[in-house]
This record gives sequence, structure tokens and C-alpha cells, in this order.
Amino acid sequence: EPEVTQTPSHQVTQMGQEVILRCVPISNHLYFYWYRQILGQKVEFLVSFYNNEISEKSEIFDDQFSVERPDGSNFTLKIRSTKLEDSAMYFCASQSNSYNEQFFGPGTRLTVL
Amino acid sequence: AQKITQTQPGMFVQEKEAVTLDCTYDTSDPSYGLFWYKQPSSGEMIFLIYQGSYDQQNATEGRYSLNFQKARKSANLVISASQLGDSAMYFCAMREERAGTASKLTFGTGTRLQVTL
Repeated sequence: EPEVTQTPSHQVTQMGQEVILRCVPISNHLYFYWYRQILGQKVEFLVSFYNNEISEKSEIFDDQFSVERPDGSNFTLKIRSTKLEDSAMYFCASQSNSYNEQFFGPGTRLTVL
Repeated sequence: AQKITQTQPGMFVQEKEAVTLDCTYDTSDPSYGLFWYKQPSSGEMIFLIYQGSYDQQNATEGRYSLNFQKARKSANLVISASQLGDSAMYFCAMREERAGTASKLTFGTGTRLQVTL
């Protein structure tokens, strides 16, 4: 069964460093999302991406964040200068059309020291 | 704006019993979808069940059913014949639904379910 994959599973970085979180969505899906979940809290929306551009972004998704779909298969989230409060689980999700469910990847746990 | 409320931070159920996890929502969108996801201790988000706002019948998927009461804006998850492997965090979520739109999911705070022997 096709699935969303994410790498790495765990990333540890120093405050101020750049990180890139990678996702490979399901191959025929058209809509892509990033969410984050701070430990013990609810899942929060970051950004959605469709037709090679950002559809919507939340207040969390400030200038330090960017997304790319560089080669038609990968979908990346970049954090330019990490802060301690960026420590969280980051989930990528993909969806085939507007009315289908979103399939989540296994997540990348980001720890900022 | 959409809002999901899950008022039960934790629930216990005995194995083989049924359990209902509560979810209420608020939205002004005429067309929306309601979802339940399971998050075991390993952390992944597993899709369980979906209900569209225009669906006349309650959704069912195996042991999971969604008790959709539109007038009361509730979308409770019912798990029948609980198993030890059902112990996990359960999140209710919703999104607006419009053709050609990437619609974000808005999540509740979750309910931690513990299944006991």
C-alpha cells in the first residue's frame, strides 16, 4: 500500500542552524501539507501546497519557514534559523483530491538544543 | 474559523467493551468533513474514519463508527469491542471542503484511551 515517507525520523540541531525536513508524498497525490505537534499538545497546521504554490499558511509559518517541491516527488520544509520552540514532531501529509482523506507520514522529531 | 472541542482528556475502557469518544465542532462552512485519527505511542497519525457534512448516514469502518449529529454539531467516535491495541491518543479533526482547494485539518486536543483487561 502506498505511503507517505519522511526523513530523517529524528533530527537534533543547535539553535540558529538551518534544517531541512524531507517528505515523499504518495505518488498520484496533488495536495501537500506540513503540520507540527509540540510534545503533549495537539497537531497544528503549518502550510498547504497545491499546484506548485502555497495555498495557505498559518501564523506559525513565518519568514523562517519555507517549502519546496523541487523535483515532483519530494516535498521539503526548511527552517532557516531554528529556535528552541521549534522543537516538535513535524508531519507531512498528502491528499489525492479535495474530498479524500489526508495520509500522514510517520513524522520527523526535531530537537533544537 | 473552525474549532474542534474534545472534552475528555482521558478515558478508560475494559477490553471487549464499547467506548464513545466525544467531539464537538464549530464552523460556518456549509460543506465540511470530519475525521478521526489515532496516534499510538510510536507517534504516527493513523486515519480511522471520515464523515462528510452532507452524508445522510453515519460512517462506519470495521469496529469504528462515527455518530454524526449535525444539529448538535457533534461527531463522536464509537469503538466497539475494544482491544488492547486500541490504547492510544485519538484526535478529532475537521476541514472545509471545496473543489480544487487544499483545505487544512483543524485538530482537537485529543483523548487518551486506555484499554484495560
